[in-house]
Amino acid sequence: GAVVSQHPSWVICKSGTSVKIECRSLDFQATTMFWYRQFPKQSLMLMATSNEGSKATYEQGVEKDKFLINHASLTLSTLTVTSAHPEDSSFYICSARDWAGSTDTQYFGPGTRLTVL
Amino acid sequence: SQKIEQNSEALNIQEGKTATLTCNYTNYSPAYLQWYRQDPGRGPVFLLLIRENEKEKRKERLKVTFDTTLKQSLFHITASQPADSATYLCALNTGGFKTIFGAGTRLFVKA
Repeated sequence: GAVVSQHPSWVICKSGTSVKIECRSLDFQATTMFWYRQFPKQSLMLMATSNEGSKATYEQGVEKDKFLINHASLTLSTLTVTSAHPEDSSFYICSARDWAGSTDTQYFGPGTRLTVL
Repeated sequence: SQKIEQNSEALNIQEGKTATLTCNYTNYSPAYLQWYRQDPGRGPVFLLLIRENEKEKRKERLKVTFDTTLKQSLFHITASQPADSATYLCALNTGGFKTIFGAGTRLFVKA
């Protein structure tokens, strides 16, 4: 159980285009999902918290107009990188929170490698 | 603010030995703490959760301890195998909805 899928697994795009990444919880409902980015050999950096049916909460320094998040259902959240530039190239990972009694565990997707040319 | 410290240096051990990874945190003790494994180019995979009232948790060859006095968790892999080579992340819930992750420790198991 607790499987999270992410699509696409990798994408290459031209500078100035927009890219959408999907994150799905396959066997549980997630009212909260998270989006991270990770640079090589560095830690996960939380970008935003996605809440079903409401606006996402962005971390300090993350441009909400550049990284659009939509959490339209209990099993799907999307991240759209608008007007992508080479500096947006990174590994993007989503996670979905699964509450089990008094604890919560984040289950991660496999990640999306974005390369902006 | 709450911080997590994991040994940034890679841990190299011989196959068959026990690997021990350390996670230290500052400030208050969380209600529970989690360990994840991350392979290169992949998302982290959840391994174990240990609560503050649990001293030890086991799962197959994995063992996690939680010492709230020392503000430390230890992660052990017994009878280590080359396939155990990965980065291991420690994570804790800060209360409410936010979980913070350590930078991880890279483990290399040599055959």
